[in-house]
Amino acid sequence: GAVVSQHPSRVICKSGTSVKIECRSLDFQATTMFWYRQFPKQSLMLMATSNEGSKATYEQGVEKDKFLINHASLTLSTLTVTSAHPEDSSFYICSALTGLHEQFFGPGTRLTVL
Amino acid sequence: KQEVTQIPAALSVPEGENLVLNCSFTDSAIYNLQWFRQDPGKGLTSLLLIQSSQREQTSGRLNASLDKSSGRSTLYIAASQPGDSATYLCAVRVRNQGGKLIFGQGTELSVKP
Repeated sequence: GAVVSQHPSRVICKSGTSVKIECRSLDFQATTMFWYRQFPKQSLMLMATSNEGSKATYEQGVEKDKFLINHASLTLSTLTVTSAHPEDSSFYICSALTGLHEQFFGPGTRLTVL
Repeated sequence: KQEVTQIPAALSVPEGENLVLNCSFTDSAIYNLQWFRQDPGKGLTSLLLIQSSQREQTSGRLNASLDKSSGRSTLYIAASQPGDSATYLCAVRVRNQGGKLIFGQGTELSVKP
């Protein structure tokens, strides 16, 4: 199947700082990418849908000014957690949609905010 | 609003058993259904994709079926192995919610040697 990478895999930061997470589709072009977060023992929660060259669509309850999403190319989307707080600590997973409407996921990024 | 339910929530079996994981969804207006596997602390691995016009897909020891009219899918795992231990997630791509992937809560599978 198609490969999606995420960087970094793990990040620890101080409260109040911003953290950027990159998501790349390595062997295909993805017009649409998605960002999820996952709490322990829970399923994935969709945060936003990112379309190349346009503004992201955020799910209800997700602050667009706090979670900045940029999808500047067909192989790269970034999620920036601005002014991170301990409650933002979570597992963030991106995914990319192929032309056949199959969705492939990255390995995830574990964010810990101290 | 589409809801996806997976039963059972957890399952423990001895190595070698054949097993079935169940997934049900409330709205049959779907593009496709995907089964994923998630290991602890990892991302999701796509196992099988069934388009809405298909009835089943097979990959190795895995077979997934889809009955769109009744809103059900099953994932059959033959001759289970300890390496199959993981959480299995079912997800449907819906037609009337912007093409989103809606996930079930998952089945946590443990295969004992």
